[in-house]
Amino acid sequence: QVQLQESGPGLVKPSETVSLTCTVSGGSMNRYYWSWIRLTPGRQLEWIGYIYSSGTAFYNPSLQSRATFSIDTSQNQVSLRLTSVTAADTAVYYCARRAEGQWFDSWGRGTLVTVSS
Amino acid sequence: DIVMTQSPDSLAVSLGETATINCKSSRSVLYISNNKNYLAWYQLKPRQPPRLLIYWASTRETGVPDRFSGSVSETDFTLTISSLQAEDVAVYYCQQYYSAPMTFGQGTRLEIK
Repeated sequence: QVQLQESGPGLVKPSETVSLTCTVSGGSMNRYYWSWIRLTPGRQLEWIGYIYSSGTAFYNPSLQSRATFSIDTSQNQVSLRLTSVTAADTAVYYCARRAEGQWFDSWGRGTLVTVSS
Repeated sequence: DIVMTQSPDSLAVSLGETATINCKSSRSVLYISNNKNYLAWYQLKPRQPPRLLIYWASTRETGVPDRFSGSVSETDFTLTISSLQAEDVAVYYCQQYYSAPMTFGQGTRLEIK
């Protein structure tokens, strides 16, 4: 059974860039889309986007081009880079596998990112 | 963007009773060519990975107890949890995957009365 584990710095200052990594184990990354989704303190889930194993990526326009995904299938990792962060980016960030039908069938436990000076 | 609106925001149900959570989409998520509603339900518990419960509005994910069921009437979706157990305490979300950006409801917190 595939397992996903997110990691990140925890605390980031406003206007800085945060980089998060998701490590996948127990399954191949090939021929899947790998998503980032965040849960805000207000309990709202927001889809950030996803990247295919080939590297093709799709982003939620709401992030206004601040998000960039990368993938390294040899290392079984997918990464998210979010620039110019503000307090509104404070959230638990989840990595999730998108199934063929476009729902999310496997998730990590999430990593908390707090934006504060 | 398709807006997903859940109701209620929270509810408390007695053990063994039935919990009903509603989700309404701002427009149809029914794909005519395959007659499928592009709607999923998830269960979120603290410090655990979110869990997929239902997809195609009414198909249970492998391993999900049959106490969980999904139904649809046009743009109104329902997640029903029968014979409520203590382990069902969680926040539940609906999600449409009909069109990008994928969007979620605001969540419904389920507690034991």
